[in-house]
Amino acid sequence: QKEVEQNSGPLSVPEGAIASLNCTYSDRGSQSFFWYRQYSGKSPELIMSIYSNGDKEDGRFTAQLNKASQYVSLLIRDSQPSDSATYLCAVNGRTYKYIFGTGTRLKVLA
Amino acid sequence: DGGITQSPKYLFRKEGQNVTLSCEQNLNHDAMYWYRQDPGQGLRLIYYSQIVNDFQKGDIAEGYSVSREKKESFPLTVTSAQKNPTAFYLCASRRGIKETQYFGPGTRLLVL
Repeated sequence: QKEVEQNSGPLSVPEGAIASLNCTYSDRGSQSFFWYRQYSGKSPELIMSIYSNGDKEDGRFTAQLNKASQYVSLLIRDSQPSDSATYLCAVNGRTYKYIFGTGTRLKVLA
Repeated sequence: DGGITQSPKYLFRKEGQNVTLSCEQNLNHDAMYWYRQDPGQGLRLIYYSQIVNDFQKGDIAEGYSVSREKKESFPLTVTSAQKNPTAFYLCASRRGIKETQYFGPGTRLLVL
């Protein structure tokens, strides 16, 4: 079992729809959770961070964390073609190491 | 203008050659990291450093070496022992354990 798992996609959604990206992790001691967006050929950029159970909203983005079920998700409302990218889930425990998933490729269709 | 810089943007390596990738940050971050990304794959940790003059191997350290003589700098050397070095190399840094990790723009290494 991988430490952080994501569906590789591609996840295709029409413009204006809600895109839902999911991530599961294996280490119950994980404390910090991050979503990064990576455009082709570019470096990852932070979208959201979440540390406690529940929802955290920032503009069109909502991160959801459920530690009991060991999953974290990212919702993108009113999806735009510019949201087309690979979304990386990252999990951090009690050390300085991040564990990254392999990413989900999102395609927003105009 | 704070941030993480990596140079060069593209680097070409000949067979048997050692090459060094530069990573500098002016964010006053304690921890720095090197990752490797292959096409269609996730990020794999090569080395990380929590403080000056200290660093630890990541998951794929063989064929690589690092130094951390200054807080701002964490250069990565790809040695001739790394037989398949073609990849996108990303440097990152963070202030502390619970803090967010930020990435530099990356260096793409190609073998001639």
